[in-house]
Amino acid sequence: AQKITQTQPGMFVQEKEAVTLDCTYDTSDPSYGLFWYKQPSSGEMIFLIYQGSYDQQNATEGRYSLNFQKARKSANLVISASQLGDSAMYFCAMSTGNQFYFGTGTSLTVIP
Amino acid sequence: DTGVSQDPRHKITKRGQNVTFRCDPISEHNRLYWYRQTLGQGPEFLTYFQNEAQLEKSRLLSDRFSAERPKGSFSTLEIQRTEQGDSAMYLCASSLALAGGCCETQYFGPGTRLLVL
Repeated sequence: AQKITQTQPGMFVQEKEAVTLDCTYDTSDPSYGLFWYKQPSSGEMIFLIYQGSYDQQNATEGRYSLNFQKARKSANLVISASQLGDSAMYFCAMSTGNQFYFGTGTSLTVIP
Repeated sequence: DTGVSQDPRHKITKRGQNVTFRCDPISEHNRLYWYRQTLGQGPEFLTYFQNEAQLEKSRLLSDRFSAERPKGSFSTLEIQRTEQGDSAMYLCASSLALAGGCCETQYFGPGTRLLVL
């Protein structure tokens, strides 16, 4: 069963605009963590942001914020003020302690 | 540089040969993970270690795959009798797991790209 679903294979955004990348997850574990990673064409996975299942506040890291809606099992990534360097693949991931799942990714292209 | 390192970065081999990859985690991290990523897909979990103990293995890890972390520091992933379907990026990650905690952040290395001819 698919644990992480990213329904947007590709997204375009104008430079300096905000963009939301969608992620839904499926787990029955009460304790889990949700992550977003960026993968540029060079291939390295870069950690962006983390949200714990018990966290009351949405996580924020600079221009990145995670819109966590627990009841809907969604963990969307919001990138504000997009920059050309944001063009990359973005992966949503979930950890339940001993199990680790990644989505299929969203390719983001920032247009000048 | 104190990040996760992997060696080699690229490997081309012929079908049927054995290959071995090495991963050096961030020094204070006690967990080490191996993933495989094929083109257009997200990373797929293979296995992970806490210190020297291998705690979880995916069904993806066939008998031809073996991973070790003998002293709880670096790890090796060996693929025996390689097949063309083994061509992929092999990613290593590490994390610091705290007692009673869950779901700590994993930091990834640059990966090893394997091509089996």
